[in-house]
Parts: sequence; structure tokens; C-alpha cells
Amino acid sequence: AQSVTQPDIHITVSEGASLELRCNYSYGATPYLFWYVQSPGQGLQLLLKYFSGDTLVQGIKGFEAEFKRSQSSFNLRKPSVHWSDAAEYFCAVQESSASKIIFGSGTRLSIRP
Amino acid sequence: EAGVTQSPTHLIKTRGQQATLRCSPISGHTSVYWYQQALGLGLQFLLWYDEGEERNRGNFPPRFSGRQFPNYSSELNVNALELEDSALYLCASSFGDRTGDEQYFGPGTRLTVT
Repeated sequence: AQSVTQPDIHITVSEGASLELRCNYSYGATPYLFWYVQSPGQGLQLLLKYFSGDTLVQGIKGFEAEFKRSQSSFNLRKPSVHWSDAAEYFCAVQESSASKIIFGSGTRLSIRP
Repeated sequence: EAGVTQSPTHLIKTRGQQATLRCSPISGHTSVYWYQQALGLGLQFLLWYDEGEERNRGNFPPRFSGRQFPNYSSELNVNALELEDSALYLCASSFGDRTGDEQYFGPGTRLTVT
């Protein structure tokens, strides 16, 4: 069965510092991979997605993620965080373009002024 | 282009009652997905409808049901409400079986069961 692991429940970084959120998945083939962000009381917004091709994916708001097949990882990065990046981040996997999404448990990001 | 809309925003029900949640997908999308986000349980897949039919179902009891209408909007019904049904219910839509299409999420309906 597919699964997604986000090992960090809560991360605090200083404004302007770099960020890396970890994500590991378990799936037999290469799945579709996503990162979503959820601000308090809001729905989910797609940051970026990986389906195939270049393993470094650029997303919105200055985020990027790198797919590493050998490590079954899809870590999210940002070179310099802003206070507005404080939110919950979810890594997700989908086995095909028309099926349910399996979400990780989420990582809550706090920004230190 | 309008996004996925959900109604109501908030819903307060008493244990044992029934709740009905509604979702309107993005124009052109034929698939609607329902997810439950309960405190401490994360985001869990509930139901998937496409072209009016239920395509897949998550690990939820039968009192969670729904339907999709000819205009592709969808309704989620929760019967015999229990306290643990309190959660944010998110609806998402997509074009369906088209490579590269992600699911677009609505703002959710916050269901509180007292």
C-alpha cells in the first residue's frame, strides 16, 4: 500500500533562513508527487507537483522540490523563508492521474522573527 | 475562473443527526473527491466520484455516503453523526483521467458535532 512519511511534525526557522521539509514515500512504481500548503482555517493550495522528467521541480512562492528515486524522497526546499510561509505543509502521493491522494501527516512550519 | 466551492462554511449538528455537505467543482472538471481532516488524524480520503458514479471509497463506515449530480456537483451525507465526525471536510475536483491533472481543493466545510 502507498504511504507518505513526513518525519518532522513541527519546524521553526528564522525569517530569511533556508528551509527543507522532508518527505519519503512508499510505492512500487514512480507515483505522482505533490506538495500542498494549508494556512490556518483554509483549504489546500498546490505548491508543486512531479509526474516525470526533470527531478528538480519549481513551484510557486519560490519553493522547489527534488525527486530522488534511490531514496524514495521528495523534499521541499526554499532558500529564504518569509513570515508569510508559516503554515502546514503536506506531501502527497497519487498512483495515477485519476485516483485518490494519500497525504502525509503534515509538517507545521513556524517562522521566528 | 471560479475555484471549487463548498457550502456551508460551518455546520453544527447534534450527535445522531444527519449532515449534508455540498461541493461545486471547477467548470469542466468531472471528478470530485471528498477528504476528511480530523484533528490528530490528518487528511484521509473519503470518496471519489466521476461522471456520476462512485469510483473509490476510503476506509469509512457506510453512514458516509454521497452522490454526484449531472452537473458534476456533489453532496456528502453523513448519517447518525458521532462526535468523532467533527472535522474539516475538503472537496477537490479534477478533469478525471488525464495525465498531469492535479486535484484542486475547496476551502472546506467545518462540521462540529455536539
